[in-house]
Amino acid sequence: AQSVTQLDSQVPVFEEAPVELRCNYSSSVSVYLFWYVQYPNQGLQLLLKYLSGSTLVKGINGFEAEFNKSQTSFHLRKPSVHISDTAEYFCAVSSDTGKLIFGQGTTLQVKP
Amino acid sequence: DARVTQTPRDKVTEMGQEVTMRCQPILGHNTVFWYRQTMMQGLELLAYFRNRAPLDDSGMPKDRFSAEMPDATLATLKIQPSEPRDSAVYFCASGPGDSYEQYFGPGTRLTVT
Repeated sequence: AQSVTQLDSQVPVFEEAPVELRCNYSSSVSVYLFWYVQYPNQGLQLLLKYLSGSTLVKGINGFEAEFNKSQTSFHLRKPSVHISDTAEYFCAVSSDTGKLIFGQGTTLQVKP
Repeated sequence: DARVTQTPRDKVTEMGQEVTMRCQPILGHNTVFWYRQTMMQGLELLAYFRNRAPLDDSGMPKDRFSAEMPDATLATLKIQPSEPRDSAVYFCASGPGDSYEQYFGPGTRLTVT
């Protein structure tokens, strides 16, 4: 069975600093990987996805993630965050039953 | 700009009442998901459909919850009778199938008093 672990529940960071949100997964089969962002009082929005090909994936709002098969990780990065990036971020992995398995989420708090 | 729509956006009801939430998936998407989000439990998958057929509803309390897709443009989630512990935000998501991508609606915030 597939599972996702987001290693940090909260990540505080100052504006314009770099950030990394960590995600590890477990799966015995090939996977698709996703990052979603949820702003307050809104639904989840797809940030980026890894389906195949290049292991470095670029998404919206300047975010990128790197698929590392040997470390079973899919960490999300941004070189310089803005106040508007304050949100909840969810990592997700595809399952072999057609659905996504979501992590518990990481709250990114960007401080001025 | 294709989006998943959900109605109502907010619902306050008394314990014991029936609640119906509706979702219009993005046109052409053949998979539909229902999620519940709470502070304590996080995001939970309740049920999902492919081509209008239910594939998995193991996350749903069977005695009070039911999910249906009367047609390709409408998915419904019903709770009867509702209980205070059902208070949560309920999200619908749709996807184009094999890619596993999901596009979320804005959610229905349910409060059961």
